[in-house]
Amino acid sequence: GIQVEQSPPDLILQEGANSTLRCNFSDSVNNLQWFHQNPWGQLINLFYIPSGTKQNGRLSATTVATERYSLLYISSSQTTDSGVYFCAVDPFSSNTGKLIFGQGTTLQVKP
Amino acid sequence: DAGVTQSPTHLIKTRGQQVTLRCSPKSGHDTVSWYQQALGQGPQFIFQYYEEEERQRGNFPDRFSGHQFPNYSSELNVNALLLGDSALYLCASSFRGVLTGELFFGEGSRLTVL
Repeated sequence: GIQVEQSPPDLILQEGANSTLRCNFSDSVNNLQWFHQNPWGQLINLFYIPSGTKQNGRLSATTVATERYSLLYISSSQTTDSGVYFCAVDPFSSNTGKLIFGQGTTLQVKP
Repeated sequence: DAGVTQSPTHLIKTRGQQVTLRCSPKSGHDTVSWYQQALGQGPQFIFQYYEEEERQRGNFPDRFSGHQFPNYSSELNVNALLLGDSALYLCASSFRGVLTGELFFGEGSRLTVL
């Protein structure tokens, strides 16, 4: 089955710093989503981005489907950005809406 | 616009017991998927319900079963609970008309098995 690898596994930033999170996947995908899991466990949708580039405030994401990776950019980080960031994909061969998740990147932003 | 809602938020059970978790999808959505998230891991797909039928299933034993009602809400049942079933159970909803459309998750039900 498809492999989804996220890097780095852990990241510590000072407030105001910028960061880039990476998601590599081993096969073609129909769907790619980025989520932020808050301390209470809820997965918050950040981007639905099977290809191309999107921006939402201080966050932006780029997926290069032909090269099988996606990047999540966080600019001017704030302490509220802390938490776990997940990349999840729906493989092209599956095309069913079933998401395969990476292991996540745990981000800690210090004041 | 109501999002995905789950209940209960927390519960504690003992080994061998049975548990039922509930989910109401986001308004306009007709498909419900369930995921299990163990501590420190990414969510794992359990199964998906559409048109009141189980359409897909992940690598979970038959102790895990579900149901979808005509109003699209869903239940997850786990029988003969094991310690390893302790996890956060997440419900996600989507619109089947767009097969690979965006999924939205609820806040989860945190199950502890003692």
